[in-house]
Amino acid sequence: ETGVTQSPTHLIKTRGQQVTLRCSSQSGHNTVSWYQQALGQGPQFIFQYYREEENGRGNFPPRFSGLQFPNYSSELNVNALELDDSALYLCASSLTGTGSHGYTFGSGTRLTVV
Amino acid sequence: RKEVEQDPGPFNVPEGATVAFNCTYSNSASQSFFWYRQDCRKEPKLLMSVYSSGNEDGRFTAQLNRASQYISLLIRDSKLSDSATYLCVVPNAGKSTFGDGTTLTVKP
Repeated sequence: ETGVTQSPTHLIKTRGQQVTLRCSSQSGHNTVSWYQQALGQGPQFIFQYYREEENGRGNFPPRFSGLQFPNYSSELNVNALELDDSALYLCASSLTGTGSHGYTFGSGTRLTVV
Repeated sequence: RKEVEQDPGPFNVPEGATVAFNCTYSNSASQSFFWYRQDCRKEPKLLMSVYSSGNEDGRFTAQLNRASQYISLLIRDSKLSDSATYLCVVPNAGKSTFGDGTTLTVKP
């Protein structure tokens, strides 16, 4: 059974650029959620995808967008990067969209915006 | 008020001590709750789930008080390897809300 894998592990971008982060979900999991974790804070929910459709969204602006593919892998896209977007971005897969069985997290992508 | 609140700590305890963390939540409709452990610069990992009044797994006990809307995590006989940040998680309708975590340092 493969776990959740994310790429890249680290990334440095310039303010105003665009970035795409990738995630492969755990085998058998059809739901993927993305979280942003700033230093010293808990993960903040960005959005969730279930069967290729957005299934819930947190308090993030439209420049944060995503996709889920038929194999349940997912992408997070962020346009017009701002300095405050610097954070650890975590992908989590789960058996259900409700999260009632917990999540398996990938090791994250650490994004630095300069 | 935040949806999920935790005492940030840090909690500094000697090996062998018993330590407890509390977490309060605002959404009374939530049915399941989780504790995750996060080591420095690593991803969160599921530690325990709580679906009814409580759950015990070795040295770890999680309890739920629905009337007062809080969950707790008790760690007995603390080990150096228990040093980490403990995150309280409350799922609700496709979104899981994390607390900001409680940091525990266990010292020799």
